[in-house]
Amino acid sequence: DAGVTQSPTHLIKTRGQQVTLRCSPKSGHDTVSWYQQALGQGPQFIFQYYEEEERQRGNFPDRFSGHQFPNYSSELNVNALLLGDSALYLCASSLAGGPYEQYFGPGTRLTVT
Amino acid sequence: GQSLEQPSEVTAVEGAIVQINCTYQTSGFYGLSWYQQHDGGAPTFLSYNALDGLEETGRFSSFLSRSDSYGYLLLQELQMKDSASYFCAVREGAAGNKLTFGGGTRVLVKP
Repeated sequence: DAGVTQSPTHLIKTRGQQVTLRCSPKSGHDTVSWYQQALGQGPQFIFQYYEEEERQRGNFPDRFSGHQFPNYSSELNVNALLLGDSALYLCASSLAGGPYEQYFGPGTRLTVT
Repeated sequence: GQSLEQPSEVTAVEGAIVQINCTYQTSGFYGLSWYQQHDGGAPTFLSYNALDGLEETGRFSSFLSRSDSYGYLLLQELQMKDSASYFCAVREGAAGNKLTFGGGTRVLVKP
């Protein structure tokens, strides 16, 4: 049973560029959430997708956008990258109806220079 | 505002017991989760409390008191492999699985 997978594992971008991160949820899961984790801090909720719609959103600017596909996989897009966007981006999958345990992927380490 | 407070670091020896406290102040509350994260790894689920009381899963137990906005994670019979960061996280909405995380407690287990 494949768990949550994310690609790429590492990425280096320049300020002002755009980036797309990808996530495949655990088999059978229908909900995908994205989190940003700065070094030494807890993950911060970016947004969540269910039935191809953004269902909830955290305190992140519109530069952060996403998409969920019919097969439940998801993308996170970040435009006009800033140095402060450097972080570990985690994808988590779960079932909308519970249980509410979230399965996290290994993350994508984004470095903005 | 929304906040979850937990100690930043705890050190203990193998075989000992460690309790990590978490106090929360959030706009909504539907449950408290605990996650473990090793350096360079992904957070992994440990426990979830929606109701007051103690939940036991092997060497780990978690407690919740909703009236006190407080919970704790108890790690028993500590092993070297338990050295990691531990996060409490609040599920704030009835619909959806948005989690608000605390800053994490780094647990260092010494021989």
